[in-house]
Amino acid sequence: QVQLVQSGAEVKKPGASVKVSCKASGYTFTIYGISWVRQAPGQGLEWMGWISAHNGNRKSAQKFQGRVTMTTETSTRTAYMELRSLRSDDTAVYYCAREEVDTAMVYWGQGTLVTVPA
Amino acid sequence: QSVLTQPPSVSGAPGQRVTISCTGSSSNIGAGYDVHWYQQLPGTAPKVLIYGNNNRPSGVPDRFSGSKSGTSASLAITGLQAEDEADYYCQSYDSSLSERVFGTGTKVTVL
Repeated sequence: QVQLVQSGAEVKKPGASVKVSCKASGYTFTIYGISWVRQAPGQGLEWMGWISAHNGNRKSAQKFQGRVTMTTETSTRTAYMELRSLRSDDTAVYYCAREEVDTAMVYWGQGTLVTVPA
Repeated sequence: QSVLTQPPSVSGAPGQRVTISCTGSSSNIGAGYDVHWYQQLPGTAPKVLIYGNNNRPSGVPDRFSGSKSGTSASLAITGLQAEDEADYYCQSYDSSLSERVFGTGTKVTVL
């Protein structure tokens, strides 16, 4: 079965960076893209960006451009999302999701809580 | 601010039918991009309920259905059950932003 397993919770200082991993199993990794979505406490879902596991093409939301880097490592079937210059309002649960061709996010990781104390 | 607008909350008694609207514009839903719906139970990751406007993944009860018309889409839940109490989000693609976009989210309460 398809599974996306994310790395554990992180606590970071303002100004630092965080790198969240998302390890895929149960499907051919290079066929699908991975989207990254975050959810601040008590808030809605916010799309951060997408990367193709086939060719590395990527697109990030304008809000995060210059601050986010998405990568994939085919040998380990793992996607990564690095967010730099962290602020307290980056405190959120970060999700990876496997994306279908019509942008539907059918399979999701369990989420990674990133806390940036004020 | 999201480009897809949903009502903050809807409620209904067990067994009733409720609908959640998702209002967009000519650069997303109105441009023909597919709409997907997600259910999020407290403390869990979102789960896809409807993809491609009106398709249910296997395992999703047929009490859930989706539709799309013009610049809006809707999710209907018939035969409301206590376990349906959750947050619901629509999602599409916006060509002006070149981004995937989520709706503002709707909390469903079962009275």
